[in-house]
Amino acid sequence: KAGVTQTPRYLIKTRGQQVTLSCSPISGHRSVSWYQQTPGQGLQFLFEYFSETQRNKGNFPGRFSGRQFSNSRSEMNVSTLELGDSALYLCASSRDGKNIQYFGAGTRLSVL
Amino acid sequence: AQKVTQAQTEISVVEKEDVTLDCVYETRDTTYYLFWYKQPPSGELVFLIRRNSFDEQNEISGRYSWNFQKSTSSFNFTITASQVVDSAVYFCALSGAGNQFYFGTGTSLTVIP
Repeated sequence: KAGVTQTPRYLIKTRGQQVTLSCSPISGHRSVSWYQQTPGQGLQFLFEYFSETQRNKGNFPGRFSGRQFSNSRSEMNVSTLELGDSALYLCASSRDGKNIQYFGAGTRLSVL
Repeated sequence: AQKVTQAQTEISVVEKEDVTLDCVYETRDTTYYLFWYKQPPSGELVFLIRRNSFDEQNEISGRYSWNFQKSTSSFNFTITASQVVDSAVYFCALSGAGNQFYFGTGTSLTVIP
């Protein structure tokens, strides 16, 4: 069974640009959560999608958005990038959000 | 409020020593889940264990063991006879009624050969 796949693995962008990250969950998993990991703030919850609906949202500005498709694949978008958005973005999938979350390898975003 | 505290930021041990990673949590939910994840340098968080709030039995899996005590709101993780491959950052996490996961700040473990 394939694990959680995140693409791309690495991204370099400049301030003001926007970026889209992709996450393909484990087959059969309907919940996808996104996290931002930085050395200073640790793992911070961004949002969770379940059956194409955002079910939970963390405390991030509106520049951070996401969506989920009918096949449970999810995308995360960050607009008007800031230097502070440089981080490892992790995606996790689970069957229904309550169960074990399985993580992808992450997308490392560098904003210059 | 949901909160997970991992007071140990960094720990170094010599190979074959035992090491315990501490985790203290706060929640008002009566039903909740506790987790431990391992993050090696590659970045991917690897699931280690899940416990629900009604199951206080200790768990042992090979060299790993977990001690869940509701009375002290703790869910500690012990590695016996540590190995260099155990070097990683370990995260404790809590999931309550709202399904959202709350992670501690992690403990970086270095096992010195």
